[in-house]
Amino acid sequence: EAGVTQFPSHSVIEKGQTVTLRCDPISGHDNLYWYRRVMGKEIKFLLHFVKESKQDESGMPNNRFLAERTGGTYSTLKVQPAELEDSGVYFCASSQARSLQFFGPGTRLTVL
Amino acid sequence: AQRVTQPEKLLSVFKGAPVELKCNYSYSGSPELFWYVQYSRQRLQLLLRHISRESIKGFTADLNKGETSFHLKKPFAQEEDSAMYYCALSDNTDKLIFGTGTRLQVFP
Repeated sequence: EAGVTQFPSHSVIEKGQTVTLRCDPISGHDNLYWYRRVMGKEIKFLLHFVKESKQDESGMPNNRFLAERTGGTYSTLKVQPAELEDSGVYFCASSQARSLQFFGPGTRLTVL
Repeated sequence: AQRVTQPEKLLSVFKGAPVELKCNYSYSGSPELFWYVQYSRQRLQLLLRHISRESIKGFTADLNKGETSFHLKKPFAQEEDSAMYYCALSDNTDKLIFGTGTRLQVFP
């Protein structure tokens, strides 16, 4: 069975541009999480979906970030417009049981 | 506020030596504690969780509520243990709170 997948694996954009990251959770997992690791810092929680609903978006840094989960399946995270400080690795995780989160390989975002 | 502290950025040992990766946490409730590992060019994966009280790949971790610690230990390190190790805490909202990670290097 495929694990959590993320696309793209790496994105390089210029400041001011828009980027959309995609996450496909493990089939049947209602919970989907986004995290990011900025250079030199810890992995930080961004938000949590339960099916298509946002359960907790307390970690979203500002309104330049928009996450959606259409039909409770895959999720997208859009950054518009991107800033230099948005560079980092964005991880997606999914879970069926509470706290047992399975992580995707991450998307490395570089904003120039 | 909830916080996870991993004081060592890098820990280097020789094969066969004991290893202890430190993790301290601050949380007012009863947390769930985890260790995640990321091997080179692989994704983050769960190594162990405190409620399981099991040993994975020879690693163990005991939750010490008095010292608010969850140190990861292995009596004899192997070269294949070289990786980034993250301690994490789960609060009652299901999100994971991570430490900054410790890179373990095991030399032959």
